[in-house]
This record gives sequence, C-alpha cells and structure tokens, in this order.
Amino acid sequence: ETGVTQSPTHLIKTRGQQVTLRCSSQSGHNTVSWYQQALGQGPQFIFQYYREEENGRGNFPPRFSGLQFPNYSSELNVNALELDDSALYLCASSLRGGATDTQYFGPGTRLTVL
Amino acid sequence: AQTVTQSQPEMSVQEAETVTLSCTYDTSESDYYLFWYKQPPSRQMILVIRQEAYKQQNATENRFSVNFQKAAKSFSLKISDSQLGDAAMYFCAYRRIGNQFYFGTGTSLTVIP
Repeated sequence: ETGVTQSPTHLIKTRGQQVTLRCSSQSGHNTVSWYQQALGQGPQFIFQYYREEENGRGNFPPRFSGLQFPNYSSELNVNALELDDSALYLCASSLRGGATDTQYFGPGTRLTVL
Repeated sequence: AQTVTQSQPEMSVQEAETVTLSCTYDTSESDYYLFWYKQPPSRQMILVIRQEAYKQQNATENRFSVNFQKAAKSFSLKISDSQLGDAAMYFCAYRRIGNQFYFGTGTSLTVIP
C-alpha cells in the first residue's frame, strides 16, 4: 500500500506568480483534501475533492483552485501569489464511504513567496 | 463554526513518564470524530489515535490513550512511558462526518532524557 505523496518538496516563487502543487492519494482512497499550515499554526482547510469535483471549501479566495483526476490524484493551483501564501501545504487522502473516514497526510510542500 | 482549542503551547516530560495533552472543542453536532495527529520535525502528519463521538469507551493505541468527555467537549491525550521518539508537535482535530477537519494550534512536546 503506497502512502500519500506530494511534489515538489520545496518551492520558491515571487509575488504575483502562479504555482501548482501535486498530490498522489493513498491507494484505495477517493477523496483528497488540501490544507495550508502557516509557521507555528495548525493546518487550515482549503478545499476537498471527491469524484473530481470540489466538495467543500474553507475561507480561501478563488485564486486558490484545484483539480482531481480520474486516478484520484490532485493539484492545488494558486494564482497571483502573495507573501502571506508562504506556508506548508498539506494534502490528505481518505476513503469516503469507508469504515473510518480517517485522513492520511502527505509530507507537504514548503512554499516560499518572496 | 467548529473550533478546537489546545491551551498548552508547550509541554515537557521525562523519558518513561506519563504526560497528558489537553484539547477542547466547540460543536453543536452530536455525531463526529476526534483525532490526535503527531507532526515531527520531518513535518509529515501521523495519525496517533481516533475517537468516534458515539462510542463511550475511550480509544487506546498501545501507549496512547484518550479521555473523551463528550458533555464537557474535552478530548485529552495521555502518553504513557514516554519515549524520545514521541517528541513532536501534537495536533487535536475535529471532523464532522464527511466534512473537513478543524485543527487546534498544536502542543509542542519535548521529551527529556
């Protein structure tokens, strides 16, 4: 059983640029959630994807968008980057309809916006 | 909105001793899940233990156990026989069924040899 993987590990961008982060869900999982974790804080929910559609969104602006693919992998896109977007971005996968509904997290992508 | 509060930003424990991390939450729901996750410096969030709100029995996973007080909306984590590898940031999380997670701000645990 493969775990959740994310790429890239680290990323440096400048203000105003666009970025795409990638996530491969754990085998057998059909739901992917994305979180932003600022330094010293707990993760904040961005959105969740199920069956290739957004299924719940946190308090993040529309310049945060995503995709889920038929193989359940996912992308997080952030446009017009701002300095405050610097954070660890975590992806978590789960099995909707499964017995436990537990989310399993990837190692994260550290985004630095200069 | 659901909120999760961890009132202890930092805790320390001597190796082999027991430590309890506190967590309270606010919800109007009756059915939900509660979790404790561990985040070592390597930053990958690792599930420690899970509690279903409808279960009265407290969850236990080896050296980790919880004290779940539904009426008080309290969910503390007890780590017995603490080991150096337990040093990490611990996050309490709430999840309504089929919905997003809400995380607390975390407790940094130091294990003293």
